[in-house]
Amino acid sequence: DIVLTQSPATLSVTPGESVSLSCRASQGISTSIHWYQQKSNESPRLLIKFASQSISGIPSRFSGSGSGTDFTLSINRVESEDFSVYYCQQSYSLLTFGSGTKLEIK
Amino acid sequence: EVQLVESGGGLVQPGRSLKLSCAASGFTFSNYGMAWVRQTPTKGLEWVASISAGGGYTYYRDSVKGRFTISRDNAKNTQYLQMDSLRSEDTATYYCARHPLGDFDYWGQGVMVTVSS
Repeated sequence: DIVLTQSPATLSVTPGESVSLSCRASQGISTSIHWYQQKSNESPRLLIKFASQSISGIPSRFSGSGSGTDFTLSINRVESEDFSVYYCQQSYSLLTFGSGTKLEIK
Repeated sequence: EVQLVESGGGLVQPGRSLKLSCAASGFTFSNYGMAWVRQTPTKGLEWVASISAGGGYTYYRDSVKGRFTISRDNAKNTQYLQMDSLRSEDTATYYCARHPLGDFDYWGQGVMVTVSS
């Protein structure tokens, strides 16, 4: 199975800062990576698909980049509603998720 | 508005069966692949099974192969997950998700399944 390693596990930031969350795949997966946000006691929500494709209704401050094994979810100027857990997921070979990055208020 | 509503969860003894349902609305159900994803505090998010739009193709994670069966009824806009020979490690919140290609673009609210004696 393809293993996705997300880092850091926890990221403490101040609202207004810009952040980058990392997801590394155990083997090359082209751009078959997708990003989700999960707020406490809610279902996951798709933010970015296929590494960099935007999703209707998702704020433009969220963007994705990368290909091969290294991927990044960027949040430009974090807002209070963005503090939650973020997951990456690959669809290159079967389907697996990363363990998540928790974005918390500093 | 896309809506996915799961039902059928609950407490079940090891070795017994349970069937989850997911009622879909707000889109043309028969045009989309669907999936089940589960989540636990220890293992995180795990894909469980997927089914193609027409129902002709199904895929499973190794740990549920031979025990779980995904199916759908396009006339009823509903997908199902029949879970047999349940184990304690199947305890999780199970989400129904729309699965157009590689991503899961809409999720249900989740249903809890607890396998315990």
